[in-house]
This record gives sequence, structure tokens and C-alpha cells, in this order.
Amino acid sequence: DAKTTQPTSMDCAEGRAANLPCNHSTISGNEYVYWYRQIHSQGPQYIIHGLKNNETNEMASLIITEDRKSSTLILPHATLRDTAVYYCIVRPAQGAQKLVFGQGTRLTINP
Amino acid sequence: DGGITQSPKYLFRKEGQNVTLSCEQNLNHDAMYWYRQDPGQGLRLIYYSQIVNDFQKGDIAEGYSVSREKKESFPLTVTSAQKNPTAFYLCASSISPGNSNQPQHFGDGTRLSIL
Repeated sequence: DAKTTQPTSMDCAEGRAANLPCNHSTISGNEYVYWYRQIHSQGPQYIIHGLKNNETNEMASLIITEDRKSSTLILPHATLRDTAVYYCIVRPAQGAQKLVFGQGTRLTINP
Repeated sequence: DGGITQSPKYLFRKEGQNVTLSCEQNLNHDAMYWYRQDPGQGLRLIYYSQIVNDFQKGDIAEGYSVSREKKESFPLTVTSAQKNPTAFYLCASSISPGNSNQPQHFGDGTRLSIL
């Protein structure tokens, strides 16, 4: 599985856009990029995923570079409830039963 | 509301006892999974099931057992053979197994502690 690299921690002001980077330089052409977040003492929450194209849903936007070696998760208007650990995960297209979570980015939203 | 329900939220076990963690989903998902999370660590796959009456070992199955008699239920038993059972246990499900274009959705977990 391709490995991912994320900053250990980030801060963002409430109401501003939070941009979380992820490097996955060894990603293969058929591997998806997934983002989850985990708030303390809760289960991981699915946010968004994509293969090649940029994606947007009600929670966030995912921007994947043209060479697919990196991506950015954008929370457009961060709130205090967005404080969590955010995980970027690369999944093979077929046969992948497990999700491999790295250390993630601890995002703190400040009032 | 559709979702995944894990119970209980907190569970205490005496050494030598087996305990069973419940996981129920009403999402009509075929695949279900059990993960274990230790403090400051990532998730590790214990068991998964792709269909009723079938399940497969994950990376750390020793000391655990599961059953999948109904589509919506995938209970995990932590046996006395599991030497270090204190952890946060997470159940997940997905529409179809092995399809990476379908996300896994998680319950809120059960925190197991040894007395």
C-alpha cells in the first residue's frame, strides 16, 4: 500500500478555511485517496474520497494534484467542532479489506 | 437514523473472562469489520466478514472470535486467550467487500478495560 505523509499538527481560526495537505508520492494509478477524521473517544468519520478528479460534498472538498502525488482536504468554514485528528489514506482499487491509518494531522480550530 | 451501533460504550472484564462486544448495522451493508485501536496508534484489523455465515481473519485475530449469523449483526468475543485486551474496539461496515470505491463507516466504539 502506498504510504502517506501528513503534518503532525495544524491550527486554524474559526470561520476560516482549513487546508490539510497529504503527500502520497508512491500512489498507484488505481488507488483511491480517502479522508477520515476522529474526534476524541469516537469512531472515525468518513469525510470524502477520490481517484483522479477533485471531489466536493457537504463536508469538504478534496483537491488531488494532476500527478496524484499529493492532495489537500479543504474544510471551507471551520468550526470548533472540526477539531479532530484527520487521516489521509490510500486504498488499492481491489481486494483491500482493511483501512491503514497513519498518525494523521491533529487539527485545532481556535475561536 | 441509519448507522452502526456498538454496545456497550464501556466494558470492564476480569482476567480469565470472555466478553462479547455487540455491533449492529441497519445500513443493509454486506461487509462488516472489527478493528482495534491502542492509545496513539492506528487501527489494526481483527476480523472481517464479506457475507452472512462467512468471515476471515485480519492481522491480529489471535484471542478473538466472531460470528455472522445475520446480515446486520457481527459480534466480537474477546477470549481469555487474548493477553492484552485493553483497547478501543471499532466496528465498521461497507456496502460491498473489497470495493475501494465504497467507504467503510464506523460505529462509536467500545472501550474495554481489564480490572
